[in-house]
Amino acid sequence: SQQGEEDPQALSIQEGENATMNCSYKTSINNLQWYRQNSGRGLVHLILIRSNEREKHSGRLRVTLDTSKKSSSLLITASRAADTASYFCATAVIGGYQKVTFGTGTKLQVIP
Amino acid sequence: SAVISQKPSRDICQRGTSLTIQCQVDSQVTMMFWYRQQPGQSLTLIATANQGSEATYESGFVIDKFPISRPNLTFSTLTVSNMSPEDSSIYLCSAGKRAGGTDTQYFGPGTRLTVL
Repeated sequence: SQQGEEDPQALSIQEGENATMNCSYKTSINNLQWYRQNSGRGLVHLILIRSNEREKHSGRLRVTLDTSKKSSSLLITASRAADTASYFCATAVIGGYQKVTFGTGTKLQVIP
Repeated sequence: SAVISQKPSRDICQRGTSLTIQCQVDSQVTMMFWYRQQPGQSLTLIATANQGSEATYESGFVIDKFPISRPNLTFSTLTVSNMSPEDSSIYLCSAGKRAGGTDTQYFGPGTRLTVL
């Protein structure tokens, strides 16, 4: 079964608004990564957060990690139409030799 | 970072045939993986491609159906054998590269396979 469950499954917002996506997972992890996928293309790596980190920023992206709750969130601020994509979290378990397991994904639509 | 290319980018195949997908990384990497993404779904790991030894398959995937090769640290192939329409998916190669103690995974653009 999938390691990660994401919610919401789909999200539609207006351009300029913030978008928040959540990811929950089941077992202890080494790190958690967020990816973006545009319309069935390859995955673009957005950000990696390690298990001993609580928050990370990259441009308009902010990722938090709460290992006690086994959850992470991805916040995209001031969204743009170009942010329309599917977003996936992926977890690497301890001793998993860099193997990652993907969540179910959130489909984000940003309306111009 | 690592840049990954895949060939072919897409193909339409007949039932019962086989297709080999190539994955090339622009630098040496420790780990390479193959994923399948069925229409509208998330990614599922097929196997870990091990350099110089047999691939490690995940539950539900077998070597006879998805033979994998990894002759060196930058190249791997995945064959989808005896295809059926249920094999229609996007197949993605990824590579794990340790940088600064982290294990970032990078993905190729994917191969979109349609089986008729």
